[in-house]
Amino acid sequence: GENVEQHPSTLSVQEGDSAVIKCTYSDSASNYFPWYKQELGKRPQLIIDIRSNVGEKKDQRIAVTLNKTAKHFSLHITETQPEDSAVYFCAASTPGGSYIPTFGRGTSLIVHP
Amino acid sequence: NAGVMQNPRHLVRRRGQEARLRCSPMKGHSHVYWYRQLPEEGLKFMVYLQKENIIDESGMPKERFSAEFPKEGPSILRIQQVVRGDSAAYFCASSPRGPNEKLFFGSGTQLSVL
Repeated sequence: GENVEQHPSTLSVQEGDSAVIKCTYSDSASNYFPWYKQELGKRPQLIIDIRSNVGEKKDQRIAVTLNKTAKHFSLHITETQPEDSAVYFCAASTPGGSYIPTFGRGTSLIVHP
Repeated sequence: NAGVMQNPRHLVRRRGQEARLRCSPMKGHSHVYWYRQLPEEGLKFMVYLQKENIIDESGMPKERFSAEFPKEGPSILRIQQVVRGDSAAYFCASSPRGPNEKLFFGSGTQLSVL
């Protein structure tokens, strides 16, 4: 099945800095890559997603890039704010896994004011 | 739209008891997914259901665990004869057309086994 590796496990930045979270996947047939944000004690919520026919997608301060050849994708957050502090999960969906998202282990982002 | 509703939020069971976790998907969503989350770990897929059918249960242990999504009523994740290792947060998610799109998660049920 699909295997998703996520790094780093913890990321600490100063307010206003940029943050980058990286994920790799194993199945070259994977074609959908969502990112979820989970605040402490809350439900995971989708913040951005990208499909394999696109190399980059941006939504205000958040962007995702996809490198299909290298089988990795990254989340970029610019001008970080304290409310960005949360756990971020990447995921990959593959036809071989019924398209069910396989999640990474998560990155705990801490933004210091 | 009330969103995905899970209950109870917290469930305490003693070893050997049964745990029943409920999930009502968003209105119009016929696809339901159950995930399990342990501290500092990701979301581990358990089972995918679509009204009255189990589509994929490859992530669910063969013994003690079962899931259903009846024609009427919520989806139920049932854990029989719970053990301490079953303690975790169980999240349900739903989507309108399938798993290859945005999933809407519930607030989760925190199961504690004493």
